[in-house]
Amino acid sequence: DGGITQSPKYLFRKEGQNVTLSCEQNLNHDAMYWYRQDPGQGLRLIYYSQIVNDFQKGDIAEGYSVSREKKESFPLTVTSAQKNPTAFYLCASSIGGERNNQPQHFGDGTRLSIL
Amino acid sequence: GNSVTQMEGPVTLSEEAFLTINCTYTATGYPSLFWYVQYPGEGLQLLLKATKADDKGSNKGFEATYRKETTSFHLEKGSVQVSDSAVYFCALRSHSSASKIIFGSGTRLSIRP
Repeated sequence: DGGITQSPKYLFRKEGQNVTLSCEQNLNHDAMYWYRQDPGQGLRLIYYSQIVNDFQKGDIAEGYSVSREKKESFPLTVTSAQKNPTAFYLCASSIGGERNNQPQHFGDGTRLSIL
Repeated sequence: GNSVTQMEGPVTLSEEAFLTINCTYTATGYPSLFWYVQYPGEGLQLLLKATKADDKGSNKGFEATYRKETTSFHLEKGSVQVSDSAVYFCALRSHSSASKIIFGSGTRLSIRP
């Protein structure tokens, strides 16, 4: 079955440590996205990528970094500069370009907590 | 810019009650509109969509009609079940936002047996 796989499901970070969240998709989608969700809140866009080797900052990119070396992979690194990283992180993908009637497909999320 | 405004939650209903969750939007041109559902501890799942004015999206007993004259896409269900308890997000995608989707803040729905 095609889909989006996020790993790990739960992740713990120590102070001053960088951690990387994995996101892999086998839907052959061009566009991929990372969102942050805080308890009882909506989704905020961190970074997105419309094509391999290219990505753009979203609304809350500070303290995060991404790479897009392969079409199927879009890892997110939460750096030590992100002072409040505890949240639920969601990865999504979609058909990109001009086909704007297409939805995004989501993974099951990674819950990051500070030790 | 583009935006989505949806009904504040939480919404609590008894089983078999009628459900409406309001959603209005602001966008240039003709966006596509979506409703997503999020069950506890999970990602978002697409519930239904509509891509042009007067389209009706439907799935699992839920319906929403794309109303351009009122810029609305309200979610309805005639008889809710306990299993419908979740958070519901209204969203839009338009040419002007490239491939990004704009989400509303979500509405938490709880159904009492």
